[in-house]
Amino acid sequence: GAVVSQHPSRVICKSGTSVKIECRSLDFQATTMFWYRQFPKQSLMLMATSNEGSKATYEQGVEKDKFLINHASLTLSTLTVTSAHPEDSSFYICSAIGGLGSPLHFGNGTRLTVT
Amino acid sequence: KNEVEQSPQNLTAQEGEFITINCSYSVGISALHWLQQHPGGGIVSLFMLSSGKKKHGRLIATINIQEKHSSLHITASHPRDSAVYICAVTIGGNQFYFGTGTSLTVIP
Repeated sequence: GAVVSQHPSRVICKSGTSVKIECRSLDFQATTMFWYRQFPKQSLMLMATSNEGSKATYEQGVEKDKFLINHASLTLSTLTVTSAHPEDSSFYICSAIGGLGSPLHFGNGTRLTVT
Repeated sequence: KNEVEQSPQNLTAQEGEFITINCSYSVGISALHWLQQHPGGGIVSLFMLSSGKKKHGRLIATINIQEKHSSLHITASHPRDSAVYICAVTIGGNQFYFGTGTSLTVIP
């Protein structure tokens, strides 16, 4: 089945640094990728939707300058958490779809801890 | 107001029991997804449906478009079914709304 690879699975960084998370579709072309944040014991919170070659669409309340999303190719999207703060510590997940009507495929998530 | 409501929020069952998780939504949708998230965090898409019923092994998903309601059933539940089950709806192809999830624990 379709696979989405997310890397890294865990990252610890110091306050003020930036962290990049990669999301790759391994065996299909992802026309649209999604980035989510999940707090403990809560459901997924959609942060942004990105289509290949165009700017990401951010959900209300998500700072686009803080969470930079790049979807440079049909198989790769990146989320960069800039100038990370402890409150950015969370579980970040990506998903991808191959086109209208295609099922969602999820990465395994990245647990970010900012110290 | 949540566009997607799930019930119950938490569910504990004995191994072998038949389990039902419900999802109601308030918007017009193009598809509904049932997702499974295991304690490690990874999410698996179980079903995507826009009408009728789908079955995969011991899992059955149904949707009633007129009533804006879907159910996920697990027959002969097993401890390995313990996970969080999330209902999500798609509007227009790439806009998603997620339910808050149902945490299922199946006791041996």
